[in-house]
Amino acid sequence: AQSVTQLDSHVSVSEGTPVLLRCNYSSSYSPSLFWYVQHPNKGLQLLLKYTSAATLVKGINGFEAEFKKSETSFHLTKPSAHMSDAAEYFCVVTAAFNKFYFGSGTKLNVKP
Amino acid sequence: DTGVSQDPRHKITKRGQNVTFRCDPISEHNRLYWYRQTLGQGPEFLTYFQNEAQLEKSRLLSDRFSAERPKGSFSTLEIQRTEQGDSAMYLCASSLVETSASGETQYFGPGTRLLVL
Repeated sequence: AQSVTQLDSHVSVSEGTPVLLRCNYSSSYSPSLFWYVQHPNKGLQLLLKYTSAATLVKGINGFEAEFKKSETSFHLTKPSAHMSDAAEYFCVVTAAFNKFYFGSGTKLNVKP
Repeated sequence: DTGVSQDPRHKITKRGQNVTFRCDPISEHNRLYWYRQTLGQGPEFLTYFQNEAQLEKSRLLSDRFSAERPKGSFSTLEIQRTEQGDSAMYLCASSLVETSASGETQYFGPGTRLLVL
């Protein structure tokens, strides 16, 4: 069975400070993992994906995530938050038939 | 813009009415997915198609829900006899899968927001 747990429903940071959004997964197979971002009234946009290549994955807008099999984690980070990063972020794990299992989301607030 | 499009973007209906949503995937994509997203939750998988074949539909929420992709291009999702609990965002995604390898990327449309009164 596949599942994703996003450990924080809300994260608030100040502009210019680091961002950490946490994700733990469970998968019966070698997983593929994704982070998507959803801005209000916009569609889900792919930030980055892990597919069993390099464990440190770089995405768009300065985000990156590290796959840690021993910890079953795929946390999303960014060195310096920008106001435009305020959005909801979803961690996703794929199942055997490529169904996507979404976490419940983390809302990122960026304070000026 | 050649992304995934969905129509309508918003739908308000009365309980008991039928509604149909359309999704146009990225043109060369062979897989198409439907999801439902309720407030405060991540999207929940409903069903998917490989070309015109519906390969997984066990997650459709009830027999009131049905989906088609008759020519392997656009798809429709129909909800019959709508209930207030059907109020949600309905998302469509498409992907190109050329081998059985995992790691496909799904591209999402903007969604159709349904409100059942």
